[in-house]
Amino acid sequence: NAGVTQTPKFRVLKTGQSMTLLCAQDMNHEYMYWYRQDPGMGLRLIHYSVGEGTTAKGEVPDGYNVSRLKKQNFLLGLESAAPSQTSVYFCASSYSGELFFGEGSRLTVL
Amino acid sequence: SQQGEEDPQALSIQEGENATMNCSYKTSINNLQWYRQNSGRGLVHLILIRSNEREKHSGRLRVTLDTSKKSSSLLITASRAADTASYFCATGNDMRFGAGTRLTVKP
Repeated sequence: NAGVTQTPKFRVLKTGQSMTLLCAQDMNHEYMYWYRQDPGMGLRLIHYSVGEGTTAKGEVPDGYNVSRLKKQNFLLGLESAAPSQTSVYFCASSYSGELFFGEGSRLTVL
Repeated sequence: SQQGEEDPQALSIQEGENATMNCSYKTSINNLQWYRQNSGRGLVHLILIRSNEREKHSGRLRVTLDTSKKSSSLLITASRAADTASYFCATGNDMRFGAGTRLTVKP
């Protein structure tokens, strides 16, 4: 049972490049979340989804887009990366209550 | 939506001592959850307490919830060096987190 898997785990981008982070869960969870965590800080919610085909904005949605075309996958896209988006990104899923987290994706934008 | 705020920001204790950290929130909740994060890893769920519960135990963890004060506390008893981590509370359907409490347990 893999749980929550994030790919890629590391990525370096140049300013203006685009990329997509993939989150996959095999627990049939309805809810999925994308967070970012900057050094010494807590997690800030970017976007979340309460089910297949639905998405909603969190605290810091600007510069990011998401899609939930399949229940098991939640994609986070950066259309034009900026240095301010250098961070560690965490995906999480839940059925109702407890969140299960991936191990994180470290993104550096130069 | 709402966000938990942890207090203190950092806590340093000796092995064997108890550690207490607090969480405050602003609006009514269905439940409140506590998580632990080891050094940049993904968060791990510790315990969930529902709004109609006042106290809950799990091993060396004790969580209390006071809905009248909109606050919760996490007590770790007989702490170990392995408890060194950051601890976060989270509430709300959109599961927002505070900045966390950084706990250091010295051997």
